[in-house]
Amino acid sequence: QKEVEQNSGPLSVPEGAIASLNCTYSDRGSQSFFWYRQYSGKSPELIMFIYSNGDKEDGRFTAQLNKASQYVSLLIRDSQPSDSATYLCASHSGGGADGLTFGKGTHLIIQP
Amino acid sequence: EAGVTQFPSHSVIEKGQTVTLRCDPISGHDNLYWYRRVMGKEIKFLLHFVKESKQDESGMPNNRFLAERTGGTYSTLKVQPAELEDSGVYFCASSQAWTGVKEQFFGPGTRLTVL
Repeated sequence: QKEVEQNSGPLSVPEGAIASLNCTYSDRGSQSFFWYRQYSGKSPELIMFIYSNGDKEDGRFTAQLNKASQYVSLLIRDSQPSDSATYLCASHSGGGADGLTFGKGTHLIIQP
Repeated sequence: EAGVTQFPSHSVIEKGQTVTLRCDPISGHDNLYWYRRVMGKEIKFLLHFVKESKQDESGMPNNRFLAERTGGTYSTLKVQPAELEDSGVYFCASSQAWTGVKEQFFGPGTRLTVL
């Protein structure tokens, strides 16, 4: 059974620091990985996706993928209070018909 | 560009009743997905449409759930009869891509409470 594991938190980070969110996955056939941000009562909002080993940067966000270790991470630089949310990690097998496999999410709190 | 919309935002029904949820995907998105989040659990995939065709309904819990996408535009998810364990937030997502990385964009969800 495909699983995505995340530490539920809460993860508390001071404003301006780097927040590091981690995720592991069980299915070696997973091809692409997604990070969603979800504010309470709102829809999951896609932040980034990654499918190649290494780092991918977009503004203050960096996604990292290590397929050998089955590990995905999201770094948020210069953390802002508005970054406080639940961050969901999801994997996709790459097949045409599969949906995303989600972790339970990590609750991030940025302390002013 | 309008995002994915869902109706209703909340629904409270009694066990044994029927409820129909609606999802309107982003215009031009052929891929439509339904997901559900039960309290305390992760978001789980239910099924996937490409246009009006069901591609994968392996996540549907049982035959009390019926999804349709007539005409390949909006989709409905009917629960009949509803049971207590059907309570949760039902999300719809849509994607344009046919190949490669399929970025999925989520709607706000419908919170279903079965009493």
